[in-house]
Amino acid sequence: DQQVKQNSPSLSVQEGRISILNCDYTNSMFDYFLWYKKYPAEGPTFLISISSIKDKNEDGRFTVFLNKSAKHLSLHIVPSQPGDSAVYFCAASAITGGGADGLTFGKGTHLIIQP
Amino acid sequence: EPEVTQTPSHQVTQMGQEVILRCVPISNHLYFYWYRQILGQKVEFLVSFYNNEISEKSEIFDDQFSVERPDGSNFTLKIRSTKLEDSAMYFCASRNRGRRQETQYFGPGTRLLVL
Repeated sequence: DQQVKQNSPSLSVQEGRISILNCDYTNSMFDYFLWYKKYPAEGPTFLISISSIKDKNEDGRFTVFLNKSAKHLSLHIVPSQPGDSAVYFCAASAITGGGADGLTFGKGTHLIIQP
Repeated sequence: EPEVTQTPSHQVTQMGQEVILRCVPISNHLYFYWYRQILGQKVEFLVSFYNNEISEKSEIFDDQFSVERPDGSNFTLKIRSTKLEDSAMYFCASRNRGRRQETQYFGPGTRLLVL
């Protein structure tokens, strides 16, 4: 039961170009979305998040777009840099009434920035 | 910048043995989590902990698992009788304040290998 789907296992982008990573979700109760970056043998590092009351959030080179009607979000990285090469995870949090909910992760997209 | 730390970084154990994985969350954080990532699979939520009790747990978190905050700084995950399928990377995470929509920060992980 994949509630958060990242359908591209890998993505290769030229340095300096825009990287677009996509994520789809099925659970209508998700209202908070996060992107994490992960290098091998390290923990996920938080990149950027967005609440369902917004449709865009920007932080430097990173912008996340949320389309609630399509249950789709995307992460844009521009310009892409070699250090951006990593696995990117989309994660979501749901309204369940509790105050400490676990995140549901996608399987990740391996972004490769080519020089 | 404050970080979540985890020890040990690697642990090898025999099937049936007990293991304790340790985490030191960020000092002013109030919510604590354990996740795991089996090799090649997505990061999966195990349990969340707040105010000295479990807030939420997944179906993975069965009776062989337990969590504890034995003092003001450590947060532990105990696996009572390890199985081969418990081999995974275990991540601790923490977040601040009471609003659910706060970022969870992850530690570097403990790689557990059950033989």
